[in-house]
Amino acid sequence: ILNVEQSPQSLHVQEGDSTNFTCSFPSSNFYALHWYRWETAKSPEALFVMTLNGDEKKKGRISATLNTKEGYSYLYIKGSQPEDSATYLCAFPSSIQGAQKLVFGQGTRLTINP
Amino acid sequence: NAGVTQTPKFRILKIGQSMTLQCTQDMNHNYMYWYRQDPGMGLKLIYYSVGAGITDKGEVPNGYNVSRSTTEDFPLRLELAAPSQTSVYFCASRATWAEQYFGPGTRLTVT
Repeated sequence: ILNVEQSPQSLHVQEGDSTNFTCSFPSSNFYALHWYRWETAKSPEALFVMTLNGDEKKKGRISATLNTKEGYSYLYIKGSQPEDSATYLCAFPSSIQGAQKLVFGQGTRLTINP
Repeated sequence: NAGVTQTPKFRILKIGQSMTLQCTQDMNHNYMYWYRQDPGMGLKLIYYSVGAGITDKGEVPNGYNVSRSTTEDFPLRLELAAPSQTSVYFCASRATWAEQYFGPGTRLTVT
């Protein structure tokens, strides 16, 4: 059974601090690793799609790294701001049925304290 | 591009009523999905489609039906609504190997 684990489940960070959290996924039959940002009362929005081992992507103060051999990805937020408060989801295209479905983790709920 | 659109945004149903949630995407994506988000929980896949005329069950299909007659549209039908179907419903689409785009959601209450 394909499983995507995210840790921690929730995180409280002081404004201005940097933080990071983890997504673990099966390292066999790797296709890609997705990160999404989900603000309360809105819909998830894609941050990154990562495909290569060692890949590093950046969007403003948010960056992500990928290790496909050991099956993990880190999401980093530098200098957290209140608008970074959201749930961050990672997702893995299921190798079953040709990667047609994304398997989502339960998310890391990030709260930035002013 | 409007992206993924969903209607209605809100709906209150009585137990036993039926309704259709509409979803349309204008990005020519082959894959489309319906998820539900229960309070305090993550996304659960209801049904998905890999192209017009092809649909398949997800994790929680009971009480729902879908059809995909065109690439653009993927309606979700609720038959005999039950309180357990109170949820926020998200439609999504993506091209193969690309990121997923989500609609704004439909908040459904069954009383």
